[in-house]
Amino acid sequence: GESVGLHLPTLSVQEGDNSIINCAYSNSASDYFIWYKQESGKGPQFIIDIRSNMDKRQGQRVTVLLNKTVKHLSLQIAATQPGDSAVYFCAEIFYGGSNYKLTFGKGTLLTVNP
Amino acid sequence: EPEVTQTPSHQVTQMGQEVILRCVPISNHLYFYWYRQILGQKVEFLVSFYNNEISEKSEIFDDQFSVERPDGSNFTLKIRSTKLEDSAMYFCASRGDSSSGNTIYFGEGSWLTVV
Repeated sequence: GESVGLHLPTLSVQEGDNSIINCAYSNSASDYFIWYKQESGKGPQFIIDIRSNMDKRQGQRVTVLLNKTVKHLSLQIAATQPGDSAVYFCAEIFYGGSNYKLTFGKGTLLTVNP
Repeated sequence: EPEVTQTPSHQVTQMGQEVILRCVPISNHLYFYWYRQILGQKVEFLVSFYNNEISEKSEIFDDQFSVERPDGSNFTLKIRSTKLEDSAMYFCASRGDSSSGNTIYFGEGSWLTVV
């Protein structure tokens, strides 16, 4: 199986609602996690990151939660807007000596309905 | 804000032809990457490059692929003899050293169509 995966392939929400996108990972040795947003035809865009020694990190309208006990990562988007519609990927990063390995999950398509 | 730039944005090529995809990483970054994304699938790692040599490559990155940093700014991916299954979006990415953070920043991608 894949080391990073997403529970839901699609998520549809109403504008103004809060969105929660989930991700499971299996490599307990991962050091760092990133959420990326990918709009159609564009490259992955950094949203927020979190180190493995943290439980929560907040940005502008976004919050990432890390639960190492169950190896679960989530991205919360407050007051979701139509511009938030995109595919969201979680990615885990493992440092092995001088190596740095970033592995993407499959992605969740978020659709925001006006 | 500094960004990774890629050219061309879209290229159509005949099967068997050579293709070079070009990238200009963020200027003070030291680590460079190529990833690819087949339509509808997740982003897959191809190769990482540091200090003018490949530091890691995936199974996808076979002898048909090569990378080069010909000068101080460009980072290229060459596919010697393209196959239909090489059709994908290719993303270049770069990262600074650990003191500047551990995030990889991606370009907008080069869409390669092999016919």
